[in-house]
Amino acid sequence: QVQLVQSGAEVKKPGASVKISCKASGYTFTEYYFHWVRQAPGQGLEWMGWINPNNGGTNYAQKFQGRVTMTRDTSTSTAYMELSRLRSDDTAVYYCARDRTPGGFDFWGQGTMVTVSS
Amino acid sequence: EIVLTQSPGTLSLSPGERATLSCRASQSISNIYLAWYQQKPGQAPRPLIYGTFRRATGIPDRFSGSGSGTDFTLTISGLEPEDFAVYYCQQCDISPYTFGQGTKVEIK
Repeated sequence: QVQLVQSGAEVKKPGASVKISCKASGYTFTEYYFHWVRQAPGQGLEWMGWINPNNGGTNYAQKFQGRVTMTRDTSTSTAYMELSRLRSDDTAVYYCARDRTPGGFDFWGQGTMVTVSS
Repeated sequence: EIVLTQSPGTLSLSPGERATLSCRASQSISNIYLAWYQQKPGQAPRPLIYGTFRRATGIPDRFSGSGSGTDFTLTISGLEPEDFAVYYCQQCDISPYTFGQGTKVEIK
């Protein structure tokens, strides 16, 4: 069965970087795009971007351009999202999700809580 | 950027009642790129509907989606206790792939 398992919670200081992993299993990793979505406490869902695990191509939301880097390791079927120059308003749960292609995301990771605090 | 506006913000209903949730887009969206999700506290979003009206795997038929262009609707035909949650629409037609702000369906 398809599973996306994310790395554990992180606590970071302002200005630092965080790198979250999302390990996929139960299907061919390179056949589906990955998306990253975040949710600040008590807020809605915010799309951050996608990565094509086949060739590493990316598309980032303009809001995160210059601060976000999405990568993948096909040998371990793992996608990564790194966010740099963290601010307090980056405190959120970060999710990876698989693209249904077309029309939405069909599997989600369990989420990774990132807390940015001095 | 396509803005999705969901209404109402909160829907207070009793079990067994019908819920009608609206999602309006700031510009026209292709039907195949409109999805709905359910989210409960502390959980990841759960896919409900994709391509405007197709139910995701395992979703009961009391959930249905409709609409076209800029106006989309999620209907829950008879609320079960487990349906009280927050619902989000999402468009994957044009990047950035935006979400609506959510509709909370609460027990009256």
